Amino acid sequence: EIVMTQSPATLSVSPGERATLSCRASQSVSSNLAWYQQKPGQAPRLLIYGASTRATGIPARFSASGSGTEFTLTISSLQSEDFAVYYCQQYDSWPQTFGQGTKVEIK
Amino acid sequence: EVQLVESGGGLVQPGGSLRLSCAASGFRFSTYWMSWVRQTPGKGLEWLANINQDGSEKYYVDSVRGRVTISRDNARNSLYLQMDSLRAEDTAVYHCASSVAGYFDNWGQGTLVTVSS
Repeated sequence: EIVMTQSPATLSVSPGERATLSCRASQSVSSNLAWYQQKPGQAPRLLIYGASTRATGIPARFSASGSGTEFTLTISSLQSEDFAVYYCQQYDSWPQTFGQGTKVEIK
Repeated sequence: EVQLVESGGGLVQPGGSLRLSCAASGFRFSTYWMSWVRQTPGKGLEWLANINQDGSEKYYVDSVRGRVTISRDNARNSLYLQMDSLRAEDTAVYHCASSVAGYFDNWGQGTLVTVSS
């Protein structure tokens, strides 16, 4: 199965600053990559699919790029509601697999 | 508003069984693939199983194949997961999710399953 590796494990950022999260696949997943946000006690929320397409209702400060094995999620100006854990997921190859997550915390 | 609400979790002894349910509303349930995904602090998110729109196709991750059965009732807008021969390592929060082309566009908050004697 494809192993997804996210870095860093924890990212400390001040409100208003930019956050850049990375996700690496152990083999190419083309553009079949999604990003999710999860806050404590809540369900994961789809942010991005197709490596770079924002899901319905997701603010423009969330952007993503990449293809093959290297992917990036950028939050351009962190708002208080953006402090959460972010997961990437590949759906190119069965079984779908997730990264271990990056926690974005307040600096 | 899309809602997915899981139920049926709880404390069960090793070797026991549980049936999880997921009640869907706010979207055309019968037109979506549906999945179960579990979450633990140690292993993170793990996709377990999915089922196609009419229930004729079902797929399972190797770690649970033979011990779990996914099913659905489109008339009741409900998804199910029958779990047998439960082990300590099955302890997790179990989420149901609707899936589109392999990613998960809506999730429930989950139901906690604890396997312990």
